[in-house]
Formats: sequence, C-alpha cells, structure tokens
Amino acid sequence: GESVGLHLPTLSVQEGDNSIINCAYSNSASDYFIWYKQESGKGPQFIIDIRSNMDKRQGQRVTVLLNKTVKHLSLQIAATQPGDSAVYFCAENKDDYKLSFGAGTTVTVRA
Amino acid sequence: GAVVSQHPSRVICKSGTSVKIECRSLDFQATTMFWYRQFPKQSLMLMATSNEGSKATYEQGVEKDKFLINHASLTLSTLTVTSAHPEDSSFYICSATGGADYEQYFGPGTRLTVT
Repeated sequence: GESVGLHLPTLSVQEGDNSIINCAYSNSASDYFIWYKQESGKGPQFIIDIRSNMDKRQGQRVTVLLNKTVKHLSLQIAATQPGDSAVYFCAENKDDYKLSFGAGTTVTVRA
Repeated sequence: GAVVSQHPSRVICKSGTSVKIECRSLDFQATTMFWYRQFPKQSLMLMATSNEGSKATYEQGVEKDKFLINHASLTLSTLTVTSAHPEDSSFYICSATGGADYEQYFGPGTRLTVT
C-alpha cells in the first residue's frame, strides 16, 4: 500500500481564512518531503519542500511542518485565495530520486 | 526555472494502435526522467524511471513490453503505449531531475483517450 496518505480527501475553506492540509507517512527512513499543487488537467506544481533535519519551513504564504515522531506532515496556506483551489499532494522521497505520492486533498475556496 | 514539456497534450487513438508521448527538459539536462500515470480523482502512480542511455526501471505491475520507454538524450524521453486499450486511457505525466538534488520538475501531462 501507499506509504504516504492524507487524512481528509476534501477541504472547503472561506476565502481569507487559513488552510491546513495534513499528510501521514509511514516510512521513517524518508528524508525529503514535498508538497505539490495540481490544478485540473495540469501537471503537479511544486509548492514547498522540507528535509528531515528540519521541522518547519516557510515560503510565501505557505508553511510546511514536519513531525518525525508521529510521521506527520502538514501544509498551511495563509489567507487562502480562490486561486488556491486545487488538489494538493504530499510526496516523500523513498529511494534515490523516486517519489511516492499521497492520495491528495481537494481544496475548494468559498468566496 | 526548469521547464519540462510534453507532447502531445491530448491524444485520442483507436484500440490496438500505439501512441508515443514525448517528454523534454527545455533548459536543463535531465539525467533521470520519471513517468507517472494518473487516473481520474486519483494520485500519481510511478510507472518507471529512465536514465539517459540505459534501460528504464519499471515499477511492480507495469508491463515493460506495453509501455516502452526510451531516454536517448539528456533532454528527451519518450513513452510509447503499445497496442493501447480503453483501460490505458489516463493522464500521463513525466518529470525530470538534473541530479543535483531531489527536486523533480513536472511536465504538463498528456491526456490519452483510447476508443
């Protein structure tokens, strides 16, 4: 089975609110994690990444948190905008450069 | 930034025919390229890893004789779906890495419909 998974398949958020998307992984040896955004009919777009020697990393309006103790990864989006509506995937690096993707969370932003 | 293109973006073919999909890294040399398949409302599933000049490595359950991968240069990998059937209809996505780090750069995907 998949070693990376998401807690909730969908998330509805009011425009302007913060979004939190969660991901659980099972391979404690994974050392690199990435969040991708995928809009309908397009390829995944890199959002932010984090290595296992860190527990937090911030980007523009996004923050990734890594809790290695419970093998949990989250993506926080500040001040969610309509353009943030998409499917979000977490991915882990398992082996060499291979990535294993989680199931995905569909984020819908309400105006 | 690193750009990966795919061609065609959409293709419709008849059952039993073969289809070739190209993946190109436009502004960097891709030592490794990956091919994924994504069914509707599902995640990306890795099909195979291809390194320039060597044979592709296929994931378990992926038929290498059906999904032919060629990585003849550092900027081009091709995936040929041979004897396509309706169940091969899917969104095929490639990614490429330059090898310096783990980051993979994804192409825009190719929607294959087999009738």
